[in-house]
Amino acid sequence: AQSVAQPEDQVNVAEGNPLTVKCTYSVSGNPYLFWYVQYPNRGLQFLLKYITGDNLVKGSYGFEAEFNKSQTSFHLKKPSALVSDSALYFCAVRANNNAGNMLTFGGGTRLMVKP
Amino acid sequence: KAGVTQTPRYLIKTRGQQVTLSCSPISGHRSVSWYQQTPGQGLQFLFEYFSETQRNKGNFPGRFSGRQFSNSRSEMNVSTLELGDSALYLCASSLGGGLATRRGDTQYFGPGTRLTVL
Repeated sequence: AQSVAQPEDQVNVAEGNPLTVKCTYSVSGNPYLFWYVQYPNRGLQFLLKYITGDNLVKGSYGFEAEFNKSQTSFHLKKPSALVSDSALYFCAVRANNNAGNMLTFGGGTRLMVKP
Repeated sequence: KAGVTQTPRYLIKTRGQQVTLSCSPISGHRSVSWYQQTPGQGLQFLFEYFSETQRNKGNFPGRFSGRQFSNSRSEMNVSTLELGDSALYLCASSLGGGLATRRGDTQYFGPGTRLTVL
């Protein structure tokens, strides 16, 4: 079975400061890892993914994530937060196999960026 | 390209009724997945369809069913609605083929259908 943990329900950060949203995962074999963002009354928007290769993945809107295999983590980061980054962030995992597209999501982390 | 579209956006039903939700994937995408989002359970996978066949199924009762048409459009049906079925139902599409799967096959989500069961 695969699982994702996002240990913080909410992260508060001041505008202009760096932000980190944490994610750890469990999956058999090698993982595919994803970050999505959800704004109120909207679906999920894709930010970035890790498949293989470089541990630092760059995505949309200045976000990046660092894959750490030994710690089974995939933390989302941004060097300088914007108020408009305030939203709900989800980490997701699926196994690196040909069994189709079943994503397992973490519980979500609400990011609040204060001006 | 147009994104994933879902209809209707909002639905209000009463217990015992049934409901059908529709999803049109991004053009060229052959995989459609459905997820249920609730405050208590978070995001949970319902099922995935690829080339008109169910490829994966989550842990939901048989009241939840789906299908995919030859144009990749998908519908999901919930029969005998219960109060606990109130949720945001999200549809996601992806390319779905073997090569795409090996490259992570990113899923793109629609805006969702908000179902309220009274």
